[in-house]
Amino acid sequence: GNSVTQMEGPVTLSEEAFLTINCTYTATGYPSLFWYVQYPGEGLQLLLKATKADDKGSNKGFEATYRKETTSFHLEKGSVQVSDSAVYFCALSVNNRKLIWGLGTSLAVNP
Amino acid sequence: NAGVTQTPKFQVLKTGQSMTLQCAQDMNHNSMYWYRQDPGMGLRLIYYSASEGTTDKGEVPNGYNVSRLNKREFSLRLESAAPSQTSVYFCASKGTGGEKLFFGSGTQLSVL
Repeated sequence: GNSVTQMEGPVTLSEEAFLTINCTYTATGYPSLFWYVQYPGEGLQLLLKATKADDKGSNKGFEATYRKETTSFHLEKGSVQVSDSAVYFCALSVNNRKLIWGLGTSLAVNP
Repeated sequence: NAGVTQTPKFQVLKTGQSMTLQCAQDMNHNSMYWYRQDPGMGLRLIYYSASEGTTDKGEVPNGYNVSRLNKREFSLRLESAAPSQTSVYFCASKGTGGEKLFFGSGTQLSVL
């Protein structure tokens, strides 16, 4: 079956540190991959996506590359800010069906 | 743009009480979803509606019912609330052919 595994949190960083949140997946077929972000007290919102192998999604300084050979879609940012403190969810869908979610990784950035 | 609107934002119930969570979207989306979010469990799909007039069970439908009242509105009903239903509930919608989900801001429900 289809599944998503992401690194457990919480992750705590200092401002301007480098961020990596690991995400790996198993899927039948050719999934689209997503990162959603949930800021405190809010619903989730799409951060970035990639629809085929070697695609790079990017938004707000965050990047993730669809790696078919390692079945991974790790989220990275070169210099985090306090305002990036949130919960990050990796997800996939196959043939535009229902999203399969990871469990979420909480990020806290300290000034 | 309002997007996806959920009401209420907070609710406290006693065991056995019933209530309905309301959700409406103004983006003309066909698909709508109800999720619950619990610590350490991520997001779990309760019910979804692929189009007006259809509803289907998700991963955790027991204890819930839904109604797709029209294209805009998708409600979630708890007939007899239980403490295990204490959670944060999110409604979401998606357009035809689209992959992006749009979420409401959530309902925090406590069942005592």
